[in-house]
Amino acid sequence: SYDLIQPPSVSVSAGQTATIACSGDKLGDKYVSWYQQRPGQSPVRLLYLDGKRPSDIPERFSGSNSGNTATLTISGTQAIDEADYYCQSWDTNTVVFGGGTKLTVL
Amino acid sequence: VELVDSGGASIQPGRSLRLSCAASGFNFAGYSMHWVRQRPGKGLEWVSGITWRSESRGYADSVRGRFTISRDDATNSLYLQMNSLAVEDTAFYFCARDSAPDFTYGSGSFESWGHGTLVTVSS
Repeated sequence: SYDLIQPPSVSVSAGQTATIACSGDKLGDKYVSWYQQRPGQSPVRLLYLDGKRPSDIPERFSGSNSGNTATLTISGTQAIDEADYYCQSWDTNTVVFGGGTKLTVL
Repeated sequence: VELVDSGGASIQPGRSLRLSCAASGFNFAGYSMHWVRQRPGKGLEWVSGITWRSESRGYADSVRGRFTISRDDATNSLYLQMNSLAVEDTAFYFCARDSAPDFTYGSGSFESWGHGTLVTVSS
């Protein structure tokens, strides 16, 4: 089976840039999406097709994907960005999610 | 776009349960649909997906042979029939709309999500 690996937790000071990595074998050859989930809420799509952003998602969220790693970058991190973040991709007709990263904003 | 999950319940191991998802606000027939679950305090786990026209279905290894996904485009409904339920199936189950008609192409993403319905399997 295909695995996507994320760090369990990332901490960032408010106003700084947070980066969350997602690693998988030849992940750069696949499309990656990112989701944000706040406690008690359903996930929300942040990015798709590696780095495309829906119109209702703030510009401070961006993404890239190359080699074996996809990266979610949050510029000017705000307190409201404190949440769990999941990467997602595909492998042989199945969907794969990363284990999730808890972002703490200090 | 609105997705309303329902059918969750507390149930004993080995029993069966059927989840439903009522969709509205979009052309349901034109999209792949999925079920994703989340065990309490854990991460997201894809359970199953179905393409438009029900041409293809996919299942996670953990549920293949026990769960069956289906859709009724006439009533804009998605279903998940869960048989031989086990304690490890305890989770919130979300239905989600793909951005593409055929998820097997690998280019879609989960555009919209239901609020989730809780399935608790316990003796």
